[in-house]
Amino acid sequence: AQTVTQSQPEMSVQEAETVTLSCTYDTSESDYYLFWYKQPPSRQMILVIRQEAYKQQNATENRFSVNFQKAAKSFSLKISDSQLGDAAMYFCAYRDPTGTASKLTFGTGTRLQVTL
Amino acid sequence: GAGVSQSPRYKVAKRGQDVALRCDPISGHVSLFWYQQALGQGPEFLTYFQNEAQLDKSGLPSDRFFAERPEGSVSTLKIQRTQQEDSAVYLCASSLAGTDNSPLHFGNGTRLTVT
Repeated sequence: AQTVTQSQPEMSVQEAETVTLSCTYDTSESDYYLFWYKQPPSRQMILVIRQEAYKQQNATENRFSVNFQKAAKSFSLKISDSQLGDAAMYFCAYRDPTGTASKLTFGTGTRLQVTL
Repeated sequence: GAGVSQSPRYKVAKRGQDVALRCDPISGHVSLFWYQQALGQGPEFLTYFQNEAQLDKSGLPSDRFFAERPEGSVSTLKIQRTQQEDSAVYLCASSLAGTDNSPLHFGNGTRLTVT
């Protein structure tokens, strides 16, 4: 079974600074998808960024980028120019395309605090 | 509506009571998922529907949990004889199609507290 590990329960960053959230996963598949989701207090899971494993280029979405290391099974999220609105729980997730469509396996999350 | 709607937002049940949680997916979305999120944890998959067909229920923790989507739109997650360990946020998500490129849209969840 696939597992997703987030080893940082909490992280803190100053406004306008950069922070990196870590994620590792375990799979025997060669083709899969990885995601970072943001969960604010409203509880709604919001997609931040996604990465297809067959793509070597790291995904980027505005201030959000990933460092995808397939051999190391590592998928970290970098948030640049942090804003107060970035404060939330962040979950790393894995999707196995050979299983149930869109069935996700989540990590335990990292709580990000943004300070002035 | 514009997004996935879940009701009620909060539910308190006494141990042993039955509860029903509702999910209104985005109109036209074929796929619907239920996830359970315990306090301090990530969401865990419960079950998946493609239209009205329940194609995967491998995540349902016990036979007290039952989900349905009879007309392929609104879905209900029912928990019978609730136990304290059922306390969690129940998230519903929908997507246009069951393909890898179809993004999931989540609702705000129902927080169930069993006392």
